[in-house]
Amino acid sequence: DAGVIQSPRHEVTEMGQEVTLRCKPISGHNSLFWYRQTMMRGLELLIYFNNNVPIDDSGMPEDRFSAKMPNASFSTLKIQPSEPRDSAVYFCASISGTGYDQPQHFGDGTRLSIL
Amino acid sequence: GESVGLHLPTLSVQEGDNSIINCAYSNSASDYFIWYKQESGKGPQFIIDIRSNMDKRQGQRVTVLLNKTVKHLSLQIAATQPGDSAVYFCAERGQGAQKLVFGQGTRLTINP
Repeated sequence: DAGVIQSPRHEVTEMGQEVTLRCKPISGHNSLFWYRQTMMRGLELLIYFNNNVPIDDSGMPEDRFSAKMPNASFSTLKIQPSEPRDSAVYFCASISGTGYDQPQHFGDGTRLSIL
Repeated sequence: GESVGLHLPTLSVQEGDNSIINCAYSNSASDYFIWYKQESGKGPQFIIDIRSNMDKRQGQRVTVLLNKTVKHLSLQIAATQPGDSAVYFCAERGQGAQKLVFGQGTRLTINP
């Protein structure tokens, strides 16, 4: 079974550039979560969607971050403009239904380095 | 479930011994708990979960214990193998919530 697929796996770019991270959830899953992982702050939830609708974006750091889910099989997380402090590993996770009493399934992440 | 960062607690065990990884959670209203394993360069991988109406659940070589009185969760791994080397995270979910709150993680290393 295909798991959650994220691309790119690694991204290195210069400060000020736009960065777009992509996620394909597990087929049939209708809730999707974006996380950021750093050594300092651990694993933080940025935003999540139910049925393609953003439910809670309180974890999004600032207006430079935006996320979309145009359909059930694709989501993007965009940073514009990027800053060195955005360097982290970004994970996407998905779950069937609203996720009560079920584990989230994670992709292998995008390692982002902003120079 | 606040993260601390920088220095993960580390547990070192001998291959073949049992490992016990502990986690203190913060929300007394949490009613669902999960353990994840994260290997280097990969995303967190689901190991086992438990609902708050249980105090113990067993899987293959793993057991999760939940003590709601002291808000404590533990993961026991039997006969630890080299492939068990990873960072282990506990996560909790508040009643009726969808969001998971992750602990800081514990690094498990296996000595041959």
